[in-house]
Amino acid sequence: EDQVTQSPEALRLQEGESSSLNCSYTVSGLRGLFWYRQDPGKGPEFLFTLYSAGEEKEKERLKATLTKKESFLHITAPKPEDSATYLCAVQGMNRDDKIIFGKGTRLHILP
Amino acid sequence: NAGVTQTPKFRILKIGQSMTLQCTQDMNHNYMYWYRQDPGMGLKLIYYSVGAGITDKGEVPNGYNVSRSTTEDFPLRLELAAPSQTSVYFCASSYSGGRGAFFGQGTRLTVV
Repeated sequence: EDQVTQSPEALRLQEGESSSLNCSYTVSGLRGLFWYRQDPGKGPEFLFTLYSAGEEKEKERLKATLTKKESFLHITAPKPEDSATYLCAVQGMNRDDKIIFGKGTRLHILP
Repeated sequence: NAGVTQTPKFRILKIGQSMTLQCTQDMNHNYMYWYRQDPGMGLKLIYYSVGAGITDKGEVPNGYNVSRSTTEDFPLRLELAAPSQTSVYFCASSYSGGRGAFFGQGTRLTVV
């Protein structure tokens, strides 16, 4: 059964203090690993898709990386507007095409 | 571009009532999904569809039904509402498998 575990559950950083969020996954053949950002009261906003180990994607202060067992979302010199919940999800090669989400990491950037 | 549109945004139901949550997308996406999100529990997949006429159960399908008669629409039906169905419901769509899904703004449902 596909599983996604995110850590930490919550993270408080000072503005400019870089850090990384972790997403560990178990899937029988990875079709895609997805990162989303969710603001309070809103739907998740798609950020990245990663397909194979070694792949990296960047967007502004965010960089996502992928290994065979985990993905990291690196946040460089964050600003208060980066505060949000970051969600990781996987889709396996199974016939069923389910996208399974982790519980997310709540990130709070202090000015 | 409207993207994924969900209606209503808020609803209060009494125990035992039924309702349909509407979801429509204008991106010609084949895949559509329904999730529920409870505090601290992440997103749980209820039902999904890989194309018109095809639906399948997700992680938490009990108490819900879906249909997919067109590419654009994927309504979620709640029969005999229960307090355990109090949640925020999100609809999402993607072009195909292996592509990131795009979400609607959600429906906040309270069952009293």
